[in-house]
Amino acid sequence: DQQVKQNSPSLSVQEGRISILNCDYTNSMFDYFLWYKKYPAEGPTFLISISSIKDKNEDGRFTVFLNKSAKHLSLHIVPSQPGDSAVYFCAASASWSGAGSYQLTFGKGTKLSVIP
Amino acid sequence: DSGVTQTPKHLITATGQRVTLRCSPRSGDLSVYWYQQSLDQGLQFLIQYYNGEERAKGNILERFSAQQFPDLHSELNLSSLELGDSALYFCASKSGVPLPNTGELFFGEGSRLTVL
Repeated sequence: DQQVKQNSPSLSVQEGRISILNCDYTNSMFDYFLWYKKYPAEGPTFLISISSIKDKNEDGRFTVFLNKSAKHLSLHIVPSQPGDSAVYFCAASASWSGAGSYQLTFGKGTKLSVIP
Repeated sequence: DSGVTQTPKHLITATGQRVTLRCSPRSGDLSVYWYQQSLDQGLQFLIQYYNGEERAKGNILERFSAQQFPDLHSELNLSSLELGDSALYFCASKSGVPLPNTGELFFGEGSRLTVL
């Protein structure tokens, strides 16, 4: 049972336009959400996160929106740049599951291609 | 550079063999996580250690085992290897501060295992 779903395996966007990556989750216990970016031959790197007490978090060109009632979050990249071409993973966690016990559940990822 | 070191970067072996993957977490991080990324799959959580103790188990096969040593480095042992075990294996670490919602994991570059 996939608790974090990224239904679009790939997305192509023109340079300068907005990229919107979507993520859905099913576990109501999730209250913290993260986006990771992964380039080929590298490990995933943290991009941006959002707590369930917020509905928006912004960091430069990256904004994450959270719709708790729909169990949906999205990552907006504006403007998109060729260097943004990577696989983007959505991840979720339950904030407290015991001392020292903390897990991230990842989606399958969306491959973003930004076309110059 | 995330500060998480994984060795080896690449490993080719035959079915039925046994391999050991090694991970050194970021300095001071008490938690170590192992994730598996197979073709077209997201990051599948395998196991978590916190300060030497197993804290959480995910989809880890019985043929696989792990441990975290007193110096906090971790090893993932994969035995009786099958073709389907070919994957990228990522190690990640996190600080031991038990605060919720500081949730990013820091990933190594991964160990690519090919089973022939």
